Amino acid sequence: AQKVTQAQTEISVVEKEDVTLDCVYETRDTTYYLFWYKQPPSGELVFLIRRNSFDEQNEISGRYSWNFQKSTSSFNFTITASQVVDSAVYFCALRNYGQNFVFGPGTRLSVLP
Amino acid sequence: KAGVTQTPRYLIKTRGQQVTLSCSPISGHRSVSWYQQTPGQGLQFLFEYFSETQRNKGNFPGRFSGRQFSNSRSEMNVSTLELGDSALYLCASSLGRGEKEQYFGPGTRLTVT
Repeated sequence: AQKVTQAQTEISVVEKEDVTLDCVYETRDTTYYLFWYKQPPSGELVFLIRRNSFDEQNEISGRYSWNFQKSTSSFNFTITASQVVDSAVYFCALRNYGQNFVFGPGTRLSVLP
Repeated sequence: KAGVTQTPRYLIKTRGQQVTLSCSPISGHRSVSWYQQTPGQGLQFLFEYFSETQRNKGNFPGRFSGRQFSNSRSEMNVSTLELGDSALYLCASSLGRGEKEQYFGPGTRLTVT
């Protein structure tokens, strides 16, 4: 069975603080893909990153970075120097090859000015 | 390239009625998935279509159905609406069914009274 857990329901930070969003996943497959999506107040989910199970390299994109660790089944997302525009609900998702996506419950991030 | 479009954006229906929602994927994308998003249940997978065939189905009653046309456009139908069907219905498209990320439309906000 596939499952994604995002233990942090809501996080509030002050602008310019760093923040890490946790994601823990469960799957029995060896080939799987992990994703992060952002859902701003406007409602449309925006794709941020995809990672496959064979590539544990961390990735950095501007102020965003992702840490994938198979040993702990985690795929955490860090925003450095957060900005008010980062305020959104962030979803972690898992997909086994050929199967449907499974989304976590989401973490609501509020960045205060 | 145009993004995923969904029509209508907002809909108000009465309990017992039926509703059809439409989704046009990104050009070239052949996989279309539907999700129901509610505050209490989060993002729940409804079904996925690829090449006009339903490939995966979530745990929803038979009142929820869908189809995909030869141009990859998709519709979902909900019959005998219940108050609990009030939700944001999201459509997502992707190139294939394997590892590719999904791109989401803005959603259809359905209110059942």
